[in-house]
Amino acid sequence: EPEVTQTPSHQVTQMGQEVILRCVPISNHLYFYWYRQILGQKVEFLVSFYNNEISEKSEIFDDQFSVERPDGSNFTLKIRSTKLEDSAMYFCASSAMNTEAFFGQGTRLTVV
Amino acid sequence: QKEVEQDPGPLSVPEGAIVSLNCTYSNSAFQYFMWYRQYSRKGPELLMYTYSSGNKEDGRFTAQVDKSSKYISLFIRDSQPSDSATYLCAMTGISGTYKYIFGTGTRLKVLA
Repeated sequence: EPEVTQTPSHQVTQMGQEVILRCVPISNHLYFYWYRQILGQKVEFLVSFYNNEISEKSEIFDDQFSVERPDGSNFTLKIRSTKLEDSAMYFCASSAMNTEAFFGQGTRLTVV
Repeated sequence: QKEVEQDPGPLSVPEGAIVSLNCTYSNSAFQYFMWYRQYSRKGPELLMYTYSSGNKEDGRFTAQVDKSSKYISLFIRDSQPSDSATYLCAMTGISGTYKYIFGTGTRLKVLA
């Protein structure tokens, strides 16, 4: 069964460092998303990406965040200068047009 | 008023019980409704996807949508200890956007 895969599963980084979280969406999907979940809180939307551009972003997705689809299979989230409050689970998701989204297993980001 | 409200639980039931999980929402423009299951520190796993009022059944799971009351439910029949997880409702489809708005999740424990 096709699935969304994310790497790494756990990333520890020092405050102020840049991190790149990687995702391989399901191959025939067109819409890509990043969500995050701070421990004990709800899943929150960060950004959606379609046709090689951002289609929507939340107020969380400020200038420190960027997304990229560098090739035909990968989708990345970059955090330029991490803060302690960026510690969370980050989930990548993908969907075909107007259908349900499938989520990856997440990357646990710990900023120390 | 929150966009999506969900009782956080925990909800404890004996094995074999019928479980009822619910969400209410405030924005009548939501068109698509999802239920996800999330095990601790894992990604949301899609259980049900509906887009119209009424019932949809899949195995032991039944999703119910009542758009007039802005209320959705997930029923689990013959609950098993392996059903112990957090159940998330999510909604999307307001014109021009496909970002998901999640509830906080209900933690379910099925006791053997």
